[in-house]
Amino acid sequence: GQQLNQSPQSMFIQEGEDVSMNCTSSSIFNTWLWYKQDPGEGPVLLIALYKAGELTSNGRLTAQFGITRKDSFLNISASIPSDVGIYFCAGLNSNSGYALNFGKGTSLLVTP
Amino acid sequence: NAGVMQNPRHLVRRRGQEARLRCSPMKGHSHVYWYRQLPEEGLKFMVYLQKENIIDESGMPKERFSAEFPKEGPSILRIQQVVRGDSAAYFCASSRDRNLNTGELFFGEGSRLTVL
Repeated sequence: GQQLNQSPQSMFIQEGEDVSMNCTSSSIFNTWLWYKQDPGEGPVLLIALYKAGELTSNGRLTAQFGITRKDSFLNISASIPSDVGIYFCAGLNSNSGYALNFGKGTSLLVTP
Repeated sequence: NAGVMQNPRHLVRRRGQEARLRCSPMKGHSHVYWYRQLPEEGLKFMVYLQKENIIDESGMPKERFSAEFPKEGPSILRIQQVVRGDSAAYFCASSRDRNLNTGELFFGEGSRLTVL
């Protein structure tokens, strides 16, 4: 599969702070997805992006599909304790098959 | 997790035994995908199936692993003669259509295999 680099690997922040994480790829994608995974659970889709340059929000979450189609970022504003979890980016190039390529995740810890 | 049901949630096997993991997709979904997650890693694609057909198995190890999605019943991921390196969380996901356009998959809660 294609290599995705996700950073930072982990973040430790205080409640109320904003968070930013990003993902870069060695090749282009035509879909970027952001998932959150809680311990012992499966990934839950947060935001889906289908077009280069697209900026999409879901509540306090905002994600963008980079114009080069090789990167994406996710921002979380005014973090709260329930934002704790692991955030994964995933990319799909439908011309290359059906596999979602996942980053290694950003682990987020939020202190009250 | 949007109704994708996986069982068992936890499975312990000794080396050389067989592991069978089951996945029932969301209602109305006929496309099933299996992913494997090692500790501290992202998910890695294994296989994509549509009812009775394997569409893409490019991520499946060539030996000991097989998958099926029969006309009736859940999808099964089967691992024969398990080894310690097979210990991982195995996630199933389903979609209504081929995810080429939307990319949206709904994941189950996973089956955690431990090989002693």
